[in-house]
Amino acid sequence: DADVTQTPRNRITKTGKRIMLECSQTKGHDRMYWYRQDPGLGLRLIYYSFDVKDINKGEISDGYSVSRQAQAKFSLSLESAIPNQTALYFCATSFTGGPSDTQYFGPGTRLTVL
Amino acid sequence: RKEVEQDPGPFNVPEGATVAFNCTYSNSASQSFFWYRQDCRKEPKLLMSVYSSGNEDGRFTAQLNRASQYISLLIRDSKLSDSATYLCVVNMNRDDKIIFGKGTRLHILP
Repeated sequence: DADVTQTPRNRITKTGKRIMLECSQTKGHDRMYWYRQDPGLGLRLIYYSFDVKDINKGEISDGYSVSRQAQAKFSLSLESAIPNQTALYFCATSFTGGPSDTQYFGPGTRLTVL
Repeated sequence: RKEVEQDPGPFNVPEGATVAFNCTYSNSASQSFFWYRQDCRKEPKLLMSVYSSGNEDGRFTAQLNRASQYISLLIRDSKLSDSATYLCVVNMNRDDKIIFGKGTRLHILP
């Protein structure tokens, strides 16, 4: 079984819809991250969390919100999806005391907003 | 100057050849450097860390040049399976902030 899982893997939705992307991990890591990846723009950090009660905005948090329901779960919400949020979304984990730059990624969620 | 910059490529290299690419970074206080590999439509995976003295892992060699603020990745005896995008990652040492480069695409040709 994969250590970091994401659901759904693919999603097509319409403008204005609310969407939730979920991430679960069995690695026991305390830190979790959400990124989006766009062609030519690389990986950009949306939000990150260093523990259950810690939420931090990343580089491009506008239009997104997150919830850290438990150490193992970190969900990303698009309250009202828009077409420029079409992208590949990755969840990642790392652990305190280890190098935060060693991150373990989930398989990604491909989101299309029409 | 961008925080982390890579040549996007693609680098088209015949199988068996040696290929190298660089990544420049802007923050001289950066402490940690890594190369990740990303296959098409897949998640990035850690390839190797980059140590000050340089380090080697099989056919892969990573080096750091602090004076010129760049890291490099050299691949010897390239294989078809090396075709991927290689992401440079730099820890800016500010609030543990890490930055991913946009990646360099490598195509190994048969």
